[in-house]
Amino acid sequence: NAGVTQTPKFRVLKTGQSMTLLCAQDMNHEYMYWYRQDPGMGLRLIHYSVGEGTTAKGEVPDGYNVSRLKKQNFLLGLESAAPSQTSVYFCASSYRQGLGREGYNEQFFGPGTRLTVL
Amino acid sequence: DQQVKQNSPSLSVQEGRISILNCDYTNSMFDYFLWYKKYPAEGPTFLISISSIKDKNEDGRFTVFLNKSAKHLSLHIVPSQPGDSAVYFCAASAVRGKLIFGQGTELSVKP
Repeated sequence: NAGVTQTPKFRVLKTGQSMTLLCAQDMNHEYMYWYRQDPGMGLRLIHYSVGEGTTAKGEVPDGYNVSRLKKQNFLLGLESAAPSQTSVYFCASSYRQGLGREGYNEQFFGPGTRLTVL
Repeated sequence: DQQVKQNSPSLSVQEGRISILNCDYTNSMFDYFLWYKKYPAEGPTFLISISSIKDKNEDGRFTVFLNKSAKHLSLHIVPSQPGDSAVYFCAASAVRGKLIFGQGTELSVKP
């Protein structure tokens, strides 16, 4: 049981290049998330998905696109990388979040991808 | 507008003593609060959570306290151990599936 895995672990891009970050989970989770972590900013939600074929914007979606074609995979794309997108990117997944006071299903995080845009 | 704030970037405590990490929030619609722990070069891992209808939740050495009137929560670690040295993030949820994280507090527990 690998949990949440991210590919690649490190990447250096030049401004204007494109790339795709891959997240995979083997826990049969319905929800998946992409965050970025920057010094002094904590983790900020980029996009998330509540099921296969669905995506939604988070706090900082500009400059990123996502796709969830399969339940176990969530892809994050940068079409034209900018130095401001230099960050550590984390993927996470969770079971479906209930409504009301049913409890909160924790998010499980991957190990992160360190991206540098020159 | 930072809805979840951790105003202390770092905290240093002696092994065996209590560690208290603080978190303030502004959105009264938050109904769940969570603490995550993060070691260098790893993803965050869930530590403990609390519902807004409670004021305390305990799990072993970890206790989270919630003061809704003050919009404040705290994480107590007793006794602190060197292995607790990590960055701690508090997070809050108002919309199912979306967590708002604080900036993090780096805890250092000295032997």
